[in-house]
Amino acid sequence: SYELTQPLSVSVALGQTARITCGGNNIGSKNVHWYQQKAGQAPVMVIYRDGNGPSEIPERFSGSTSGNTATLTISRAQVGDEADYYCQVWDSSTVVFGGGTKLTVL
Amino acid sequence: DVLLLESGGGLVQPGGSLRLSCAASGYTFSSYAMSWVRQAPGKGLEWVSAISGSGGSTYYADSMKGRFTISRDNSQNTLYLQMNSLRPEDTAVYYCAKEPNTGSCFDYWGQGALVTVSS
Repeated sequence: SYELTQPLSVSVALGQTARITCGGNNIGSKNVHWYQQKAGQAPVMVIYRDGNGPSEIPERFSGSTSGNTATLTISRAQVGDEADYYCQVWDSSTVVFGGGTKLTVL
Repeated sequence: DVLLLESGGGLVQPGGSLRLSCAASGYTFSSYAMSWVRQAPGKGLEWVSAISGSGGSTYYADSMKGRFTISRDNSQNTLYLQMNSLRPEDTAVYYCAKEPNTGSCFDYWGQGALVTVSS
């Protein structure tokens, strides 16, 4: 079965750029989506189909995919960006989530 | 506005059954595929099952096949998850989630329903 690998945690200084990676075999050939989940809340989609952002999501959030790695980039990180982030793809008629990355803004 | 509201969660004994419901509003329910996604306490997201807009196609995670059944009533704008032979490891918050027209992702999520399997 297909697997997605994310780092358990990423830290970023306030106002700097955070990058969260998602590794998967030839992930560049798939549509990758990203979700933000704050403590006690339901997930929210922040990036869909590799690099598209929903209208309500700040443009500070961007995504890219190449080869075996997808990356969620958060520019000018804010305290309010602290959350768990999950990547997701469809593979062989199943949905696959990465294990999640906890983002800490220092 | 799109709203998804789960219900039916609760405490059930191992081996028992439970049916979750997800009431949808704010959009044409029958036009969009839906999924159930769960999250065990302190753990990550795990996809459970998906169903097409018409209900004619269903998909399951391997670990749920044969125990869980997804269905929908488009006349009632409601999604269901019938869960049988429940195990302690099924304890989780269960979210219903809507797919957009382009599919393959989830643009709206419910607030979740907690299912606890314990004796």
